[in-house]
Amino acid sequence: QVQLVESGGGLVKPGGSLRLSCAASGFTFSDYYMSWIRQAPGKGLEWVSYISSSGSTIYYADSVKGRFTISRDNAKNSLYLQMNSLRAEDTAVYYCARSVAGTLLPWGQGTLVTVSS
Amino acid sequence: EIVMTQSPATLSVSPGERATLSCRASQSVSSNLAWYQQKPGQAPRLLIYGASTRATGIPARFSGSGSGTEFTLTISSLQSEDFAVYYCQQYNNWPLYTFGQGTKLEIK
Repeated sequence: QVQLVESGGGLVKPGGSLRLSCAASGFTFSDYYMSWIRQAPGKGLEWVSYISSSGSTIYYADSVKGRFTISRDNAKNSLYLQMNSLRAEDTAVYYCARSVAGTLLPWGQGTLVTVSS
Repeated sequence: EIVMTQSPATLSVSPGERATLSCRASQSVSSNLAWYQQKPGQAPRLLIYGASTRATGIPARFSGSGSGTEFTLTISSLQSEDFAVYYCQQYNNWPLYTFGQGTKLEIK
């Protein structure tokens, strides 16, 4: 079945870096656009970044532009999010999701990123 | 940016009754509107897309309606497993997705 599994979250100090990964299985990864979405503790959902199937088109939310970099390796069926210059307000569960005709289906289980000194 | 506003923030309904959740867009999103359900400790799950089409495996008690700027998610005859947080999401401005702030559906 279609499955997305995130990893790489953890505790990092303000100003630090972290790289998240999302392993995809059960579908032809290279055919699909992918997104990262985050959810701060007790808060709602915030779209973070999008990458096209080939990786040639990328978008970011203004809140992470210039600090985060999305990428993918279609040979490894993997999606990545490199997060630099992390701030306390980046603390959240980060989900990867497959984009299907504009919707997000399915979502991974999420990985928690905590930015704190 | 298209702002999505959901109401109410919390809705208290008894099992077996009907729940009606609202979502308003700051500008027209046509029918490019999805609804997601999120239970505690779980990832969101797609319920409705195209404003009114149920996703695969979603029970018929879930229905969506609306177009333009006003949308509604209706859950008829609430089951215990339906108590959760519900989010609307516009994808008219894809891939610059925006979500509503969520409606918590709780047991009355």
